[in-house]
Amino acid sequence: KAGVTQTPRYLIKTRGQQVTLSCSPISGHRSVSWYQQTPGQGLQFLFEYFSETQRNKGNFPGRFSGRQFSNSRSEMNVSTLELGDSALYLCASSLGGQTNNSPLHFGNGTRLTVT
Amino acid sequence: GENVEQHPSTLSVQEGDSAVIKCTYSDSASNYFPWYKQELGKRPQLIIDIRSNVGEKKDQRIAVTLNKTAKHFSLHITETQPEDSAVYFCAAPSGSARQLTFGSGTQLTVLP
Repeated sequence: KAGVTQTPRYLIKTRGQQVTLSCSPISGHRSVSWYQQTPGQGLQFLFEYFSETQRNKGNFPGRFSGRQFSNSRSEMNVSTLELGDSALYLCASSLGGQTNNSPLHFGNGTRLTVT
Repeated sequence: GENVEQHPSTLSVQEGDSAVIKCTYSDSASNYFPWYKQELGKRPQLIIDIRSNVGEKKDQRIAVTLNKTAKHFSLHITETQPEDSAVYFCAAPSGSARQLTFGSGTQLTVLP
């Protein structure tokens, strides 16, 4: 089985711009979670989608949004980028979703740099 | 919500020695505790997990112990090797939707 695929691997954006990141989960996995990883804050939960519905959301501003398609692929969008949004954004898929304590399988992440 | 504390933040051991990383959690309803290993520049990978109906689980050189009364769980790595060098994260479920909250990570360095 192919693993979790995230595109692009690297992005450089300017403050004020918006960005869209993409995640393709493992085949058969219906849950997709997004995490932000920074050296100072570790792994911070953004949101989880299951069967095209956002099931849970972390403590991030409304500039961070996401969606999931019928094929379970997911995208996250960050609008009005700030310097502090520079981070590694990790997507993780799971079979039954976090509610069912299904193990998370992470992608390689998208490294976003905001200048 | 869940508060997961992880200690130590850095750990150096000699090759062949054991390493222990400890995490505490606050939500008594938590019932699933995974450990992830993240090598430099790579994705976090699940190395072992434990559910609350058992107190210990082993997989070759890796073991996890759980003390639900004290609300802590630990990762034990025996006979450490240089390839064990990585950042290790613990996690526990929190919130009504039980999303995983991660500890702050432990940088393990195994010295040859």
